[in-house]
Amino acid sequence: KAGVTQTPRYLIKTRGQQVTLSCSPISGHRSVSWYQQTPGQGLQFLFEYFSETQRNKGNFPGRFSGRQFSNSRSEMNVSTLELGDSALYLCASSSMPQAGEQYFGPGTRLTVT
Amino acid sequence: QQQVKQSPQSLIVQKGGISIINCAYENTAFDYFPWYQQFPGKGPALLIAIRPDVSEKKEGRFTISFNKSAKQFSLHIMDSQPGDSATYFCAASMGGYQKVTFGTGTKLQVIP
Repeated sequence: KAGVTQTPRYLIKTRGQQVTLSCSPISGHRSVSWYQQTPGQGLQFLFEYFSETQRNKGNFPGRFSGRQFSNSRSEMNVSTLELGDSALYLCASSSMPQAGEQYFGPGTRLTVT
Repeated sequence: QQQVKQSPQSLIVQKGGISIINCAYENTAFDYFPWYQQFPGKGPALLIAIRPDVSEKKEGRFTISFNKSAKQFSLHIMDSQPGDSATYFCAASMGGYQKVTFGTGTKLQVIP
C-alpha cells in the first residue's frame, strides 16, 4: 500500500504570496490531519478533516485554511505569507475517526523569503 | 492543560544501553498515547502506542510504561543501536479526534 504523499516537497515563496499544499492519504483512509513543524514551536496541530468535514482546528490564524475532497485528498492553503510561516508542513492520515494510529507523509518544506 | 512535557531534550547513549525518555501530561481526558520516531528529512513514524487501561506495552526492543495516577509515561529502548539515532516525540490525543498534542521531542544519539 502506498504511503501518504505530499506535493510539492519543497517550496520557496515570497512574503505576501499565498500557497497551496496537497496531501494524498493512504488508500482507504478518510481522516487527514495537518501539522506545522518548526524548530522553535515543535509539532503543532493545524486542522483535521474527516469525510470532507473539518472536525477540529488548532490555534492558527485564519490565513491557514484547508479542505478535503470526496476522494479524501486534502489541500491546505496559507494566504498572505509571513516569514514565520517557514516550516515543514506535515500531513497525516488515519483509517478511523477517533484517536488512533496516524501515518505521516514526508512533509512539504516551505520557505518564505 | 493541553501540554505534553517531554524530557530530556537530548540524550546520548552507548550502543547496547537503555534509552529512556519521559513524558508528563495534565489533561486526564487524553486516552491515547503514541510515540513517534523521526529521522532527518522524514515525517514522524508511529513507533508504539498505549491506552490508559494498561500499564505497559512492549514491541520488540521498545517498551512504553504508563503511570495513570502520576500522569506520566515513558519510552524505553533496550539494546539501543546506532540506527535508533533519531528524534523521538511523545504525544497524546483524546476521544473522537485525531488532534494530537506532541511533546517537544528528544534527540537521541546512540554512539558505537
